[in-house]
Amino acid sequence: DTEVTQTPKHLVMGMTNKKSLKCEQHMGHRAMYWYKQKAKKPPELMFVYSYEKLSINESVPSRFSPECPNSSLLNLHLHALQPEDSALYLCASSQGPGLAGGGEQFFGPGTRLTVL
Amino acid sequence: GQNIDQPTEMTATEGAIVQINCTYQTSGFNGLFWYQQHAGEAPTFLSYNVLDGLEEKGRFSSFLSRSKGYSYLLLKELQMKDSASYLCAVSYSGAGSYQLTFGKGTKLSVIP
Repeated sequence: DTEVTQTPKHLVMGMTNKKSLKCEQHMGHRAMYWYKQKAKKPPELMFVYSYEKLSINESVPSRFSPECPNSSLLNLHLHALQPEDSALYLCASSQGPGLAGGGEQFFGPGTRLTVL
Repeated sequence: GQNIDQPTEMTATEGAIVQINCTYQTSGFNGLFWYQQHAGEAPTFLSYNVLDGLEEKGRFSSFLSRSKGYSYLLLKELQMKDSASYLCAVSYSGAGSYQLTFGKGTKLSVIP
C-alpha cells in the first residue's frame, strides 16, 4: 500500500466552527507532515511529526492544532479560522532519517478548505 | 536557510523536448526532488537525485550538479497531459525528519 489518504476531500466551515482534517498512511513511514497550499503557490510546511512526536512547527497560528494519535494517523484540528485560511491542506509521509529513500514524501490528495 | 529558484512559466509544443532548470542554495542537502502537480491536485513524485549525474525514467530525466547547486528536469515527447506545474524541492534532514523546501514551481503549458 503506497497511498496516503485524507478526509474529507472538501470542507466548508464558518469562523466559529470546530472541525478536523484526517490523514492516514500504512507504509510504515515514521515522519508525517502537514502543508498548506494557496492557489498558484508551492506547498508551505506547517508541521512535522517524527516518530509520533511534533518535531517542527513553522510558526503556525494556534487556531491550527496537530495531533498524531499513532504512527499511521495524523489529524489537524481547526478552530476559529479566518477566511484567509482557505487553501488546499496536504498531508504527506516519508521514512525516518537513517533509512534508505532520501526522504521522498508521498502526498495525500488534500482537503480543499473554504472558510466563510 | 534554503533558497530555490526556477522559471515561473514555460510553453512548449506537443512532441517536443523541454528543459526546466532549478538552482538552489541550501544547507544540509540530502537530495533534490521533482514533483508534478496538476491544478487542484496533490503533487506526485517524478524523480530524485542525490548524486551528480543524470537519472532517466521513461520520458522524464533529471540531472543534478551539487557543486553548482543546479538541477534540471527534461521532458521528452511532450504530451498535452504534461501541462502542469513542476516543483523543484530540496530535501534536508533536521529535527529527526526529512524536510522539503519547494521552489515556486514552473507552470508548463503544452500547445498543439
